[in-house]
Amino acid sequence: AQKITQTQPGMFVQEKEAVTLDCTYDTSDPSYGLFWYKQPSSGEMIFLIYQGSYDQQNATEGRYSLNFQKARKSANLVISASQLGDSAMYFCAMSRAAGNKLTFGGGTRVLVKP
Amino acid sequence: DTEVTQTPKHLVMGMTNKKSLKCEQHMGHRAMYWYKQKAKKPPELMFVYSYEKLSINESVPSRFSPECPNSSLLNLHLHALQPEDSALYLCASSQGRGLGETQYFGPGTRLLVL
Repeated sequence: AQKITQTQPGMFVQEKEAVTLDCTYDTSDPSYGLFWYKQPSSGEMIFLIYQGSYDQQNATEGRYSLNFQKARKSANLVISASQLGDSAMYFCAMSRAAGNKLTFGGGTRVLVKP
Repeated sequence: DTEVTQTPKHLVMGMTNKKSLKCEQHMGHRAMYWYKQKAKKPPELMFVYSYEKLSINESVPSRFSPECPNSSLLNLHLHALQPEDSALYLCASSQGRGLGETQYFGPGTRLLVL
């Protein structure tokens, strides 16, 4: 069975600083995908970044980068130059081949302070 | 355009009512998903439709009945719900080609069962 763990329930970050959100996973599948989503208080899940298990390089999307350490089974999200609009809940998720099912971690709430 | 729309945004229903949630996407995606999200919890997968056929049912009670009339539409029919079914219901879609696809989510329907 797959499991995603986010150990930080909540974090404060100063505006314009970088923040790292932790995510560890457990799976026996050799092929899987890792995602990060942002969920503002409005409820919509916004896709941020994707990393495939066979990707050699860490994924980057604008201010978001994913620090993928396969041997450690971790996929941490780094948000650079935090903005007030980054305040939200962030979910790490993993998909597997069967049905492209997404399994989510418990989430980390980020609050950006001015 | 990565838009998934959901209607209604909010729904209040009694335990004897019958209602439906609607989801629509015009991205040409062939996989569509229903998730249930309780407050302060991650989304949990309910159903997956692939090429308009139900491919995954995560042991969801029969009072929830999904329907996929065509590749762009996904409905969730609700009947005889319980107060514990109150939650945010999220619809998502993806290309339908398999592992690693990004799922794009709609804004959700907030359901309150009285």
